[in-house]
Amino acid sequence: AQSVTQLGSHVSVSEGALVLLRCNYSSSVPPYLFWYVQYPNQGLQLLLKYTSAATLVKGINGFEAEFKKSETSFHLTKPSAHMSDAAEYFCAVSYTGTASKLTFGTGTRLQVTL
Amino acid sequence: NAGVTQTPKFRILKIGQSMTLQCAQDMNHNYMYWYRQDPGMGLKLIYYSVGAGITDKGEVPNGYNVSRSTTEYFPLRLELAAPSQTSVYFCASSYRTDNEQFFGPGTRLTVL
Repeated sequence: AQSVTQLGSHVSVSEGALVLLRCNYSSSVPPYLFWYVQYPNQGLQLLLKYTSAATLVKGINGFEAEFKKSETSFHLTKPSAHMSDAAEYFCAVSYTGTASKLTFGTGTRLQVTL
Repeated sequence: NAGVTQTPKFRILKIGQSMTLQCAQDMNHNYMYWYRQDPGMGLKLIYYSVGAGITDKGEVPNGYNVSRSTTEYFPLRLELAAPSQTSVYFCASSYRTDNEQFFGPGTRLTVL
């Protein structure tokens, strides 16, 4: 069964520092990969998605992610953290022919400190 | 467009009671989904639908039922509420396969 692993349930960075949230997937077939953000007491909002086009994907709010097939990874980065980035981030995967069903990682809570 | 809407926002149930969580979308999306979110567990798929009249089980369907009579609505039914169903429930929709899903604001359910 396909799975997604997010390393680190909590990540803390200083404002202005690099944000790196890790995501690895387990599959031998090409996946579709997504990063969603969830602010407190809200639903999930799409940050970015990889659908087999460019391996470096740019999303909203200055985030980007790079698909690395050899490492089965899709890590999320942002060069400079802002206080407003504090939220929970979910990596998710789906596959062709599965009606876009998403398998989610367990999430990483990002804390941004002054 | 309102996007994906869910009602109610909060609900407290007693063990054994039943209720229906409502979900509607106005984007004419074919695909709709129900997830539950538990702390530290991410989101788990309960049921999904690829069109009106077509539903299928996800990863954690036990204790739930769904129906999809129209494109717009996808209600989730809990027949005999149990404490294990205490969770936050999200409805989502998607236009086509392998496309992004749009999420509703969620329903926070507590079963006591």
